[in-house]
Amino acid sequence: ETGVTQTPRHLVMGMTNKKSLKCEQHLGHNAMYWYKQSAKKPLELMFVYNFKEQTENNSVPSRFSPECPNSSHLFLHLHTLQPEDSALYLCASSPWGGGGPQETQYFGPGTRLLVL
Amino acid sequence: GQNIDQPTEMTATEGAIVQINCTYQTSGFNGLFWYQQHAGEAPTFLSYNVLDGLEEKGRFSSFLSRSKGYSYLLLKELQMKDSASYLCAVNGGDSNYQLIWGAGTKLIIKP
Repeated sequence: ETGVTQTPRHLVMGMTNKKSLKCEQHLGHNAMYWYKQSAKKPLELMFVYNFKEQTENNSVPSRFSPECPNSSHLFLHLHTLQPEDSALYLCASSPWGGGGPQETQYFGPGTRLLVL
Repeated sequence: GQNIDQPTEMTATEGAIVQINCTYQTSGFNGLFWYQQHAGEAPTFLSYNVLDGLEEKGRFSSFLSRSKGYSYLLLKELQMKDSASYLCAVNGGDSNYQLIWGAGTKLIIKP
């Protein structure tokens, strides 16, 4: 496996379900990110982890709960979602989480989520 | 406030040249990224500019003017596989971790 992988690629869930999204990076990076991508809207940064510590939480509703057990793995736990949460959820990683060209973010293929 | 503007959609012909513009208003600036995203796939890195001027990389070039808050991505010798969305992002927010993203420009290549 290389790069950034995400599972599942597609997910349909009801509003009362609990599910988890998984992200794994094989790049040796120390920063990992969760983004939400909705049609025709900018990428929305949800959470950032740097060396397993959460450094950013962009006012994300508590029905989204991140977990980062180590620098290679990132989870997004979903609970009692709303239909407006339907979107593409992208995971990314970067070497250190700072600025500059060396901080290029590498993205996974995303999980397409549909909440019914 | 923080804002990135780019056209929603553009159409170009195979073999031609197209320029995709991006303007930004941010509280700070530590570089501008261009990413390519094919439908249903991950965004992939194309270029990074932090100094004024043109960066050339094969068929793709990216230009930056910091004084004007302006960048463009130039694609030459267009191929059908260049049909994708092109995302402009600026490292210029309050946090080093945050990129401020444009909504993307969907580029349609016609034969």
